[in-house]
Amino acid sequence: AQTVTQSQPEMSVQEAETVTLSCTYDTSESNYYLFWYKQPPSRQMILVIRQEAYKQQNATENRFSVNFQKAAKSFSLKISDSQLGDTAMYFCAFMKPTSGSRLTFGEGTQLTVNP
Amino acid sequence: GAVVSQHPSRVICKSGTSVKIECRSLDFQATTMFWYRQFPKKSLMLMATSNEGSKATYEQGVEKDKFLINHASLTLSTLTVTSAHPEDSSFYICSARSSGRVEGNEQFFGPGTRLTVL
Repeated sequence: AQTVTQSQPEMSVQEAETVTLSCTYDTSESNYYLFWYKQPPSRQMILVIRQEAYKQQNATENRFSVNFQKAAKSFSLKISDSQLGDTAMYFCAFMKPTSGSRLTFGEGTQLTVNP
Repeated sequence: GAVVSQHPSRVICKSGTSVKIECRSLDFQATTMFWYRQFPKKSLMLMATSNEGSKATYEQGVEKDKFLINHASLTLSTLTVTSAHPEDSSFYICSARSSGRVEGNEQFFGPGTRLTVL
């Protein structure tokens, strides 16, 4: 079974600065997807970024980028130029394509952006 | 596009009654829908996976007779909490996977339903 670990329950950052959230996972699969989801106080789950394991290039979406280290089974999220609206719970998630799109979530990291 | 709605957003019921939560994919057909439960400041816990026209697959430890799931159409899945007890109080979230969207196998999430059992 796959496991996803987020070792930082809480983090804070000053507005406009950069912060990195950590995520590690354990799997014996070679083909899989990794995701970062954001859950703001409204509790609506929002997809931030996705990474296909077979792609070596790290995914980027505007201010959000990942550092995907397949051998180390690490998938960290970097948020640049942090904004107050980035304050949310962030979940790292793993999906095996053959699992019918079942997601395995990490425990989450509560990020607070301070003005 | 890819909007998922849930109804109701909040519900309060008395212990012993049943509550139905609806999950709808508004602009796509969802062959697979998922139901999650989330406790405050905790992660999402998958309860069950439902495929249109077939019985739901429940995760270990989830009582299928208590949490009835019906996925009768490609746009609607329902979760019925039967004989609700205060310990069933939680935030329930559904998500849907499109039959037509295979890029990244993305799930689209509903806004959630807060259930309070008195």
